[in-house]
Amino acid sequence: GDSVTQMEGPVTLSEEAFLTINCTYTATGYPSLFWYVQYPGEGLQLLLKATKADDKGSNKGFEATYRKETTSFHLEKGSVQVSDSAVYFCALWNTNAGNMLTFGGGTRLMVKP
Amino acid sequence: GAGVSQSPSNKVTEKGKDVELRCDPISGHTALYWYRQSLGQGLEFLIYFQGNSAPDKSGLPSDRFSAERTGGSVSTLTIQRTQQEDSAVYLCASSLVRGLVNTEAFFGQGTRLTVV
Repeated sequence: GDSVTQMEGPVTLSEEAFLTINCTYTATGYPSLFWYVQYPGEGLQLLLKATKADDKGSNKGFEATYRKETTSFHLEKGSVQVSDSAVYFCALWNTNAGNMLTFGGGTRLMVKP
Repeated sequence: GAGVSQSPSNKVTEKGKDVELRCDPISGHTALYWYRQSLGQGLEFLIYFQGNSAPDKSGLPSDRFSAERTGGSVSTLTIQRTQQEDSAVYLCASSLVRGLVNTEAFFGQGTRLTVV
């Protein structure tokens, strides 16, 4: 079945550092890919998405490019802020898998001033 | 409503009791998901409803878990004879699926279930 693998956290960075959170997936066909974020004490919310190969999703300074050749959707940000501290979830949605929305295990990011 | 609403927000129950968790999806959303998030863990899929199709129950961990969605809107997740390992945050999400296109999934705030 479909699966999503994320780098394990926590990831601890200093403010203004460069961020990469790796995400790879296994799926048949052409899934849509998502990054969700869960800030402390809040619910999950969509951060960005890409629906086809080579698409780049971007929001709030975060970017991720859908790479079909490497089955990856790594999340990047050039300069993190303390307010970016949260748990980040990579996910895929696949019509070939009964429209299932499958999540990775989540990666906790801690940004220190 | 404006978003996905879940109730109660917190539930403490005694081991062996039954509990019902409620989810009000965004009006018009055809897809509804239930997930479970244990402390420090990722999201575990439980069940998925899409329109009038038979639900995908492949994620339900045991026959103590069941869910229904009435009239294609409100959903109730029922856990019978609760166990301590059922303690988790139960999340509901809804999205609009048109053919092969799935729009963003919106999540509720979750119900924190504690079994003592």
